[in-house]
Amino acid sequence: DSGVTQTPKHLITATGQRVTLRCSPRSGDLSVYWYQQSLDQGLQFLIQYYNGEERAKGNILERFSAQQFPDLHSELNLSSLELGDSALYFCASSVARDRRSNYGYTFGSGTRLTVV
Amino acid sequence: GQQVMQIPQYQHVQEGEDFTTYCNSSTTLSNIQWYKQRPGGHPVFLIQLVKSGEVKKQKRLTFQFGEAKKNSSLHITATQTTDVGTYFCAGTQKTSYDKVIFGPGTSLSVIP
Repeated sequence: DSGVTQTPKHLITATGQRVTLRCSPRSGDLSVYWYQQSLDQGLQFLIQYYNGEERAKGNILERFSAQQFPDLHSELNLSSLELGDSALYFCASSVARDRRSNYGYTFGSGTRLTVV
Repeated sequence: GQQVMQIPQYQHVQEGEDFTTYCNSSTTLSNIQWYKQRPGGHPVFLIQLVKSGEVKKQKRLTFQFGEAKKNSSLHITATQTTDVGTYFCAGTQKTSYDKVIFGPGTSLSVIP
């Protein structure tokens, strides 16, 4: 157990639907990151939150949104789902706020999303 | 934007052989991290290199950070079946926050 909790582990849904993925960071970590990993693909950075605020944005589609709540858990919302959105979605957390104190990410076990 | 590349994409080795994966960034990095993802698992942080020319060892794994802080390598001596997985390098751009850009990874297969 890495200390980063992601739910659900598996999700199967139809095209056009909306889903919410949940992440609880490791205790003490203020930053949460979302990554998408498609089959045989690398890790595509989606978005980062630090202590409730959006910190950085990557290749996140307009159909996707995220937020971090006061208790530091984060949710990734995926809407108008398409077949191509099928992927593993990882959440990671770290204590770092900036590049001078980057100690590495702790990843959750991921949510496998299948769009049919 | 910043790109991080890795070669090779795949590597198959006989157990006991050595393995090296190389990572190159299009921009100078403030640090580089290495992660390992076992099949069906999640990425696990291995190490971070910060200084130009830095070399760190973890048992059979040797990590290097280039003098120009734009490239890095991971070398595994005498591979074992437990080394199977995908190895990702991840670089932090000097001008950004702690956003880390992952390379595409090198998938290592070890033939017993």
